[in-house]
Amino acid sequence: AQKITQTQPGMFVQEKEAVTLDCTYDTSDQSYGLFWYKQPSSGEMIFLIYQGSYDEQNATEGRYSLNFQKARKSANLVISASQLGDSAMYFCAMRETLKTSYDKVIFGPGTSLSVIP
Amino acid sequence: EAEVAQSPRYKITEKSQAVAFWCDPISGHATLYWYRQILGQGPELLVQFQDESVVDDSQLPKDRFSAERLKGVDSTLKIQPAELGDSAMYLCASSRQVRGIGSNEQFFGPGTRLTVL
Repeated sequence: AQKITQTQPGMFVQEKEAVTLDCTYDTSDQSYGLFWYKQPSSGEMIFLIYQGSYDEQNATEGRYSLNFQKARKSANLVISASQLGDSAMYFCAMRETLKTSYDKVIFGPGTSLSVIP
Repeated sequence: EAEVAQSPRYKITEKSQAVAFWCDPISGHATLYWYRQILGQGPELLVQFQDESVVDDSQLPKDRFSAERLKGVDSTLKIQPAELGDSAMYLCASSRQVRGIGSNEQFFGPGTRLTVL
């Protein structure tokens, strides 16, 4: 079964508008972490934002915020004031630790975001 | 700023040949990951090291792939013999801790793009 689901293969957004990228996850652990990474066409993966399962506040990092709804097991990324440089693949990832002695990180299939001038 | 180094950036080889990829993680990072990323998909973990020990190689095709991290610093991933289906981006990442306290996010190298002809 898919641990991380990203239902939007491709998204378009007008420059300066906000956009939400969806992510749902599946875990039986109580302690876990959720990440978003950006991958431009050049290929490098860039860490954007992190949310711990026990964090009460939604994470924010500059123009990025994470809409964390624990009961629904969703961790959507919100990008405000989109810029042309935001065009990239975006991956949601989950870290599980309860069953192992080490972090195990699983990535979703990704969403391609295109920002239109 | 410290970065994860990988070489080569690009590799073209013929099937049945041997190839090797090198990764130097950020100094002091205990955990090193090798991922394979097929175009249009999310990264898939091949092998994970804690210092010099393998903690997860469940998805590594061990009949042709091998990985080592001698002295717990840099790492080499080898494929022998290469097959057409091995064409992909091979990403190396490192993180500070074995088990996350806080984000313990992964830092990725630029990747090696492998083409098998």
